[in-house]
Amino acid sequence: DAGVIQSPRHEVTEMGQEVTLRCKPISGHDYLFWYRQTMMRGLELLIYFNNNVPIDDSGMPEDRFSAKMPNASFSTLKIQPSEPRDSAVYFCASSLKGSTDTQYFGPGTRLTVL
Amino acid sequence: GEDVEQSLFLSVREGDSSVINCTYTDSSSTYLYWYKQEPGAGLQLLTYIFSNMDMKQDQRLTVLLNKKDKHLSLRIADTQTGDSAIYFCAESIDDKLIFGTGTRLQVFP
Repeated sequence: DAGVIQSPRHEVTEMGQEVTLRCKPISGHDYLFWYRQTMMRGLELLIYFNNNVPIDDSGMPEDRFSAKMPNASFSTLKIQPSEPRDSAVYFCASSLKGSTDTQYFGPGTRLTVL
Repeated sequence: GEDVEQSLFLSVREGDSSVINCTYTDSSSTYLYWYKQEPGAGLQLLTYIFSNMDMKQDQRLTVLLNKKDKHLSLRIADTQTGDSAIYFCAESIDDKLIFGTGTRLQVFP
């Protein structure tokens, strides 16, 4: 298996623009997690899905952020409109089961909002 | 609250042992994890320990768990320059992992 795939790897955009980050989890994994990593706040869980259903989105910073998982092999994290403070590395991870199972991380998307 | 704490930096000489410490908050966590992050990459699982264990050894890695004090440590024996990375501990709460702030390990010759 290729592991968790994220695209794009780097994204530079201007404030106010819409940004869409994409993730393909490992085939057969039931759980998908979106994280954000910054120097100031460390690694934060934004939202996670179980069998394509959002379970906990309490980490989503505000209404500008939304996440979807239309099928078992694809998820998106959208920021609209983007702001400079959204600049961070966004990771997607998947696991076979919940937290009792290993989470496999993608390489991340480095987002820069100018 | 859900706070997993780690010291931010650790610097060791190549060949010495490294000990990275972590304190967690939820005594009901079933598993506790150590992840490693190399520059420009995602996190990779290093090892984990089940909460009913005190110690787990895996080659150069030794994990110690003190449930009473909610303290977890990772010892890396014979530390190599390739071990330079950020190390995160994490506790499992429900289906989520709560990560610590990460400890940046620097290994110098």
